[in-house]
Amino acid sequence: GNSVTQMEGPVTLSEEAFLTINCTYTATGYPSLFWYVQYPGEGLQLLLKATKADDKGSNKGFEATYRKETTSFHLEKGSVQVSDSAVYFCALSDRGFKLVFGAGTILRVKS
Amino acid sequence: DTAVSQTPKYLVTQMGNDKSIKCEQNLGHDTMYWYKQDSKKFLKIMFSYNNKELIINETVPNRFSPKSPDKAHLNLHINSLELGDSAVYFCASSSQGRSNEQFFGPGTRLTVL
Repeated sequence: GNSVTQMEGPVTLSEEAFLTINCTYTATGYPSLFWYVQYPGEGLQLLLKATKADDKGSNKGFEATYRKETTSFHLEKGSVQVSDSAVYFCALSDRGFKLVFGAGTILRVKS
Repeated sequence: DTAVSQTPKYLVTQMGNDKSIKCEQNLGHDTMYWYKQDSKKFLKIMFSYNNKELIINETVPNRFSPKSPDKAHLNLHINSLELGDSAVYFCASSSQGRSNEQFFGPGTRLTVL
């Protein structure tokens, strides 16, 4: 079946540090890939997405590139802020209706 | 305006009780979902409805019964609540065919004592 594996957290960084959160997937066919973010006490918000190989999703300084050859969709940001502290979820969707989520990675940014 | 709303936001109840959580979306989407997030933040789909028809039921106990009176609403009724049902329940919606980008509600934190 389809699955998503994310790096375990928590990830603790200082403000303005470079962020990478690794995400790899297993899927049949060509899934769409997503990063969702969950701020404390809130629901999930779509951060970015990519629907086909080599697509790059970007939003709020975050980027991720759909790499079919390595089945990866790593999230990056050049300079994190305290306000980026949240839980980040990588997810995939095949032609079906459901999202399959990774376990989530807690990001803590210190000032 | 809130796109996907859930009520209540918090629900504290005793074991054995029956409770309901309501969800409404005003995005005009045709598909709605219920997810369960456990204490370790792991998210798993429970149900999905498309145009009021059940299309996903992920081996959820029979005590959980979703109901979709129309495309804009998907409610979750839980009978005989157990301690293990304590979690945050998220409703979501999407429009079929748009890469399944889902929009989530704020969540309902259920605590069973």
